[in-house]
Amino acid sequence: EAGVAQSPRYKIIEKRQSVAFWCNPISGHATLYWYQQILGQGPKLLIQFQNNGVVDDSQLPKDRFSAERLKGVDSTLKIQPAKLEDSAVYLCASSLRGRGGYEQYFGPGTRLTVT
Amino acid sequence: QKEVEQNSGPLSVPEGAIASLNCTYSDRVSQSFFWYRQYSGKSPELIMSIYSNGDKEDGRFTAQLNKASQYVSLLIRDSQPSDSATYLCASTLGGYQKVTFGTGTKLQVIP
Repeated sequence: EAGVAQSPRYKIIEKRQSVAFWCNPISGHATLYWYQQILGQGPKLLIQFQNNGVVDDSQLPKDRFSAERLKGVDSTLKIQPAKLEDSAVYLCASSLRGRGGYEQYFGPGTRLTVT
Repeated sequence: QKEVEQNSGPLSVPEGAIASLNCTYSDRVSQSFFWYRQYSGKSPELIMSIYSNGDKEDGRFTAQLNKASQYVSLLIRDSQPSDSATYLCASTLGGYQKVTFGTGTKLQVIP
């Protein structure tokens, strides 16, 4: 079974530029998550999709971040314009609801550096 | 108040010893709990999930959940240098299982 795919793996941009990340979840996984992980911290949930719908985006900085999930499969996360503090690893994860909860499987992540 | 709290460590144990990692959570209605391992520069990988009070064992790993005390732990028996990593605790709550991660505990297994 193929895992969660993400691209690009690395991205360097200047502040005020825009950037987009792509995620393809594990086949059949209805739930998709985007996380931001700053060095030395735990992953911070940015947005959670259940199929096409957003179920939690309370920590997404909506003035600059946007995300969509196309046809309940692939997803893109965009930052426009980027700030220095957006430098982080952006992780995509997907889950198929198991007994009582959601076990998540993570992609390799995209390391973003904003200069 | 942080929703999921972990001691950042590092926790150092000698090879072959038992490593004990702890996590507390603030929301009493949290339903599911997970332990993830994250090697430096890599993404988290699921080790264990636990949903009900008590112990759950999988190989060298044992997860323990005490909902009354709002406490979940991970024991690693016969620790190996390859176990050296950051261990993340996560909890979920709500109908759509909102997930919250702790900041992680760094484990160092000394040969």
